[in-house]
Amino acid sequence: EPEVTQTPSHQVTQMGQEVILRCVPISNHLYFYWYRQILGQKVEFLVSFYNNEISEKSEIFDDQFSVERPDGSNFTLKIRSTKLEDSAMYFCASRLGGGQYNEQFFGPGTRLTVL
Amino acid sequence: SQQGEEDPQALSIQEGENATMNCSYKTSINNLQWYRQNSGRGLVHLILIRSNEREKHSGRLRVTLDTSKKSSSLLITASRAADTASYFCATVPTDSWGKFQFGAGTQVVVTP
Repeated sequence: EPEVTQTPSHQVTQMGQEVILRCVPISNHLYFYWYRQILGQKVEFLVSFYNNEISEKSEIFDDQFSVERPDGSNFTLKIRSTKLEDSAMYFCASRLGGGQYNEQFFGPGTRLTVL
Repeated sequence: SQQGEEDPQALSIQEGENATMNCSYKTSINNLQWYRQNSGRGLVHLILIRSNEREKHSGRLRVTLDTSKKSSSLLITASRAADTASYFCATVPTDSWGKFQFGAGTQVVVTP
């Protein structure tokens, strides 16, 4: 069964460093998402991406964040200068498209720890 | 309350019992989806119910949706210890590109 994959599973970085979180969505999906979940809190939407551009973003997704689909398979989230409060689990998701009724498939997540 | 609020926050039951949890939301939605998350792990899709549907079944899961009350319920019948997890509802507002709004979740513990 096709699935969304994410690498790495755990990333430890120093405050101020840049990190890139990688995701491989399901191959025929058209809509891509990043969410994050701070420990003990709910899952929060960060950004959605369609047709090679951002379609929606939240207030969390400020200038420190960027997304890219550099090739036909990868979807990346870059945090330019990490802060302690960026420590969270980051989930990538993808959706087939074709209307609003399709489920989103989530990856297993990348746990980001900023020291 | 925020979009996609679940209650109760925590539920502790014995194996074989049914578990019911509720979700309330505020805005008009296209659909509502339930997810499960084991501790520290990813989100597993359980079931999707469209805004024009009232009830849906999948195995031991039964989901209802009442758009007039802006609420949904998830029933897990004959629970098992392996059902121990957090359960989240996620709503897709009608004016979004599929952006999910999650609630804080219901933490279910099923004891053997």
